[in-house]
Amino acid sequence: GEDVEQSLFLSVREGDSSVINCTYTDSSSTYLYWYKQEPGAGLQLLTYIFSNMDMKQDQRLTVLLNKKDKHLSLRIADTQTGDSAIYFCAEADTGRRALTFGSGTRLQVQP
Amino acid sequence: GAGVSQSPSNKVTEKGKDVELRCDPISGHTALYWYRQSLGQGLEFLIYFQGNSAPDKSGLPSDRFSAERTGGSVSTLTIQRTQQEDSAVYLCASSSSGDRGYGYTFGSGTRLTVV
Repeated sequence: GEDVEQSLFLSVREGDSSVINCTYTDSSSTYLYWYKQEPGAGLQLLTYIFSNMDMKQDQRLTVLLNKKDKHLSLRIADTQTGDSAIYFCAEADTGRRALTFGSGTRLQVQP
Repeated sequence: GAGVSQSPSNKVTEKGKDVELRCDPISGHTALYWYRQSLGQGLEFLIYFQGNSAPDKSGLPSDRFSAERTGGSVSTLTIQRTQQEDSAVYLCASSSSGDRGYGYTFGSGTRLTVV
């Protein structure tokens, strides 16, 4: 079945760049998403990329997609303590109606 | 409403009791989803409603779980004869169908603890 995998934990220092990686198995993915979950809250959509794109930039966020390797990354520039959260990668394809989520990467930003 | 509203925010129940979790989606959103988030786990898809179509129940883990969506709006997830392994955060999301590029809007979830 479809699978989305992420590393569990990433620690960076304030001001550094963070790179969160995700791999997926479904070659028919159409949209790929990054969500952010802060403690006690639901998931917030950060950004998404369509599968025919290689890169998308939105302020401090850069999404890179390597469709050949089925690898997605989220780069956060100038990481702040407020960026500390769990980041989920998710993918959708035309054959399924519900998104498939990874298990999330906990980003810890140290001052 | 302005966002997806879930109630209660926390629920503690005894093993064997039934529970009902409520989700009020964004007005006008035709698609509604239930996911379960267990401690340290990703999001597990449970069920999906789209307009008046038959729901996609393929993610429900057992026949103790059921969900309804009345009038195309509010949804209720019911867990009968709760077990300790049902303890999790139950998240509801809604979206306007037609363009999944907009992703979902999630509620804050209901934290269910079965003791």
